[in-house]
Amino acid sequence: EVQLVESGGHLVQPGGSLRLSCAASGFAFDTYDMNWVRQAPGKGLEWVSSVISTGTSMYYADSVKGRFTISRDNGKDSLYLEMNSLRAEDTAVYYCARDPPYYESLTGYLDHWGQGTLVTVSS
Amino acid sequence: EIVLTQSPATLSLSPGERATLSCRASQSVSTFLAWYQQKPGQAPRLLIYDASNRATGIPARFSGSGSGTDFTLTISSLEPEDFAVYYCQQRSNWPPLTFGGGTKVEIK
Repeated sequence: EVQLVESGGHLVQPGGSLRLSCAASGFAFDTYDMNWVRQAPGKGLEWVSSVISTGTSMYYADSVKGRFTISRDNGKDSLYLEMNSLRAEDTAVYYCARDPPYYESLTGYLDHWGQGTLVTVSS
Repeated sequence: EIVLTQSPATLSLSPGERATLSCRASQSVSTFLAWYQQKPGQAPRLLIYDASNRATGIPARFSGSGSGTDFTLTISSLEPEDFAVYYCQQRSNWPPLTFGGGTKVEIK
């Protein structure tokens, strides 16, 4: 069974830092691109960042570029999001989600999601 | 950046009725469009990919259509568990990967 379990979210002051983790199991983690998607309270979905299967290319939304860093450890089947200079508008549930390899029909879509971890930025 | 606009924002229907949701792209995405369902307190779930293909385990009452800039998600006969928020997402031109603003299907 595919499982994605996020952790690390909590209350942090504006300007602070946080590191989110996503533990993957039940699939070949090192063959999937991985993503972080967030959802502010009562709002829609916003893509935050992606990292390809090898970890050698990363992509970011303009809203987090220069402040957030995505990374992965394929030896530990884990995905990370380092969040710096946090702002009130970063308050959201952060989901990790997998993107199947290019040779699969579902490539480019997020076919499994974790349950999310809540990040609250407030003084 | 490709902007996806969903309409209506809210759809009020009764169980057994047909639901028709729209997603319009700011430029052509060919058929590289997906639909997700999200229930309160849950993560999104992939329903439809490449505009018209049902994901594994998705009931046949869900269908998708469209190409280019105009797409439709149809739920042929609403079941109680279908009342939720639905999002479209494009993979034609990214980054950024973009989502629509969502359509809430609520019980009338």
